[in-house]
Amino acid sequence: GAGVSQSPSNKVTEKGKDVELRCDPISGHTALYWYRQRLGQGLEFLIYFQGNSAPDKSGLPSDRFSAERTGESVSTLTIQRTQQEDSAVYLCASSAQGWGTEAFFGQGTRLTVV
Amino acid sequence: SQELEQSPQSLIVQEGKNLTINCTSSKTLYGLYWYKQKYGEGLIFLMMLQKGGEEKSHEKITAKLDEKKQQSSLHITASQPSHAGIYLCGGAPGSARQLTFGSGTQLTVLP
Repeated sequence: GAGVSQSPSNKVTEKGKDVELRCDPISGHTALYWYRQRLGQGLEFLIYFQGNSAPDKSGLPSDRFSAERTGESVSTLTIQRTQQEDSAVYLCASSAQGWGTEAFFGQGTRLTVV
Repeated sequence: SQELEQSPQSLIVQEGKNLTINCTSSKTLYGLYWYKQKYGEGLIFLMMLQKGGEEKSHEKITAKLDEKKQQSSLHITASQPSHAGIYLCGGAPGSARQLTFGSGTQLTVLP
């Protein structure tokens, strides 16, 4: 596709359930970022993938959060045993070579935990 | 903790007025990005600055990065309602590899 695609666009889940969020980056982009944005807040960095390097997981808020990326393609963000404070918009971005190149954002997945 | 501080947090201006948004880092940045976000939408790329002292303009928006690469300003001339939204600065402070964002500035332009 022409841009970064995220799915689903909206997800409502019950507290305690696991959820998987998907990000399809722009083809050929080596860098991929995940962010969380709570209502009225800025972007909170979660995790960064760059090529075959070990991902930078320093932003993951707890061990309930994990992310994977296969090569330079799709990434999935998994939240286990969801809590109400996990409710937020989860944004994914990709860039051609990481720092120094424009990061293109997807439209986000709005997660609501009830 | 936020490594990039934005000010002000919110700004309300009358159409036609000029305004400035600031972004400050305690560490030297590997350059800086400015993005705009409309409510419920993704982020729109505005500009990227990499060199100390660099200044870029696009239409009525000008962004500058100071010589020390620790502070950037975004200036809008003759603001219009279409400029309304949340402005976010992003950068890689210090030795960080990830792209970190400030908490955003909510801009409202009154017609």
